[in-house]
Amino acid sequence: SQQGEEDPQALSIQEGENATMNCSYKTSINNLQWYRQNSGRGLVHLILIRSNEREKHSGRLRVTLDTSKKSSSLLITASRAADTASYFCATVFISSGSARQLTFGSGTQLTVLP
Amino acid sequence: DVKVTQSSRYLVKRTGEKVFLECVQDMDHENMFWYRQDPGLGLRLIYFSYDVKMKEKGDIPEGYSVSREKKERFSLILESASTNQTSMYLCASSLFRTTRNQPQHFGDGTRLSIL
Repeated sequence: SQQGEEDPQALSIQEGENATMNCSYKTSINNLQWYRQNSGRGLVHLILIRSNEREKHSGRLRVTLDTSKKSSSLLITASRAADTASYFCATVFISSGSARQLTFGSGTQLTVLP
Repeated sequence: DVKVTQSSRYLVKRTGEKVFLECVQDMDHENMFWYRQDPGLGLRLIYFSYDVKMKEKGDIPEGYSVSREKKERFSLILESASTNQTSMYLCASSLFRTTRNQPQHFGDGTRLSIL
């Protein structure tokens, strides 16, 4: 399977702390995307990083990509209770026959305690 | 904002029934997708479509079919529902570009229970 794997599976932190989630994948990618899912809802796109980029920021989010290690990390700074959700990485592989397919990992469940 | 609407949030059906899940998007996106989501397994792609009347199999197409008669609507069909198809079903859409750097926009999901 080319599925990405998130680490840790679950993370619990206090409000105001930073949260770091990691994603590893197996083959060369075109880009990597992070999504968020609130309980019982659909996924919401957070940020996309291309294979030729190493770091990207969006508000309190910082994403890094290390293609040599085939890994990415998502950092949420100054977390809030409202950040409680599941976070998924998704990749588009260079070898993919379709330019449109994403392959999702199994997700990290983040709980931010007030 | 892109709006992807799934016709039902919760659905209960019986084994052997033919089940239709509907999805509509309002942003003229070319690509549409159906996933199922199960605990510990993440999202798995069932089918997707990049144009009207076009479809491609995803990772787990067995037991499912799809229909795309209009650009904005993508239907998932369970031909003869079985209990192992109890799951959360998510529809998504994305804009076509020659590059692969397009995010997908998701509906809120349909939680389907097969009794």
